[in-house]
Amino acid sequence: SAVISQKPSRDICQRGTSLTIQCQVDSQVTMMFWYRQQPGQSLTLIATANQGSEATYESGFVIDKFPISRPNLTFSTLTVSNMSPEDSSIYLCSVGNGDTEAFFGQGTRLTVV
Amino acid sequence: AQRVTQPEKLLSVFKGAPVELKCNYSYSGSPELFWYVQYSRQRLQLLLRHISRESIKGFTADLNKGETSFHLKKPFAQEEDSAMYYCALSLSWGKLQFGAGTQVVVTP
Repeated sequence: SAVISQKPSRDICQRGTSLTIQCQVDSQVTMMFWYRQQPGQSLTLIATANQGSEATYESGFVIDKFPISRPNLTFSTLTVSNMSPEDSSIYLCSVGNGDTEAFFGQGTRLTVV
Repeated sequence: AQRVTQPEKLLSVFKGAPVELKCNYSYSGSPELFWYVQYSRQRLQLLLRHISRESIKGFTADLNKGETSFHLKKPFAQEEDSAMYYCALSLSWGKLQFGAGTQVVVTP
């Protein structure tokens, strides 16, 4: 298994600003993912964070809005840029362990006012 | 396109009663399915996966390829089973497609 720490756990931000969420894993992992969970909704994959190359974004998500860094095999960041109230969600970091199973961070609860 | 459907948003059952959470999927390849659970104020965690064929916390789930289903069952619900349950389909290594989720409330 993998232990995943996300920071911050929650934040309240002004519209138009940006927030960077950090994801730290206690072991080296190949695959890291970022999900969004909007209020009352399920989890939706934003992107796959690739080590040493640009992230791979899912349909409906773009790099300008959600830039992602993956400097090494244990760390990634997701930035939510130019925030609006519609970005209020829980953002989750997830990792794969070389199998198809995934492990999740505790999530970052973002409120944009 | 791949899809995971959980038709029930809320399932309310009495303690000791059987509980079944429905999950149907659409996937062109060979499916690998999971049930994840999120207890109040805790992170999302794996409950069980179809390839292990285990029973975890009294829950079982059988993959039925003919009906494209992976329903989660427990014969006797406990109060501690109250949680949000997500059915998920593996798209690749660690990458998942989630259903909408079913909130289970077990009342004494």
